[in-house]
Amino acid sequence: DSGVTQTPKHLITATGQRVTLRCSPRSGDLSVYWYQQSLDQGLQFLIQYYNGEERAKGNILERFSAQQFPDLHSELNLSSLELGDSALYFCASSLPGQGRETQYFGPGTRLLVL
Amino acid sequence: QKEVEQDPGPLSVPEGAIVSLNCTYSNSAFQYFMWYRQYSRKGPELLMYTYSSGNKEDGRFTAQVDKSSKYISLFIRDSQPSDSATYLCAMSSYGNNRLAFGKGNQVVVIP
Repeated sequence: DSGVTQTPKHLITATGQRVTLRCSPRSGDLSVYWYQQSLDQGLQFLIQYYNGEERAKGNILERFSAQQFPDLHSELNLSSLELGDSALYFCASSLPGQGRETQYFGPGTRLLVL
Repeated sequence: QKEVEQDPGPLSVPEGAIVSLNCTYSNSAFQYFMWYRQYSRKGPELLMYTYSSGNKEDGRFTAQVDKSSKYISLFIRDSQPSDSATYLCAMSSYGNNRLAFGKGNQVVVIP
């Protein structure tokens, strides 16, 4: 158990809908990362937050947005869902510091868009 | 060209064999190299971490990095059925913590 929790575990929804994925980082970790894992693209970095502020952006679609709250939990919002958004969404957390920074991954949310 | 290339072909080996996995990359700024293990329906977990070039050994696992060739490897000695999982290489550069992943290799160790 990495200490990172994600809810829900599974989500089935229809095209055009909006969903929110939630992540609670490990206790003490200030950074939260979101990744998307699909069969054809593998694990792709979406976005990073550090202590409530956006730190880095990857291949995140404009239909997707995220935020990190004062208690450090994070939410990833996916809107106008398309079939191709079906994937596993992982959250990871880390405690930035000097040198090595290990990212600990949560169990993921499996999203199926029908 | 993708930043990180990992031939995603599945690999089946008999128990006790050596498993050899590798990745190539194109971004010369990468300095931190990792191997993650992902069991079915679970999140990736860090297996090995190497900074810059060189070898690192941890029990039955050895990670090698050759920055001049932009090539990294993971070797698993005396493979066990419990090693059956998907192995993903990942890398990052100094000051940029986002991880760039390979597509992963599914490894099956047959008892």
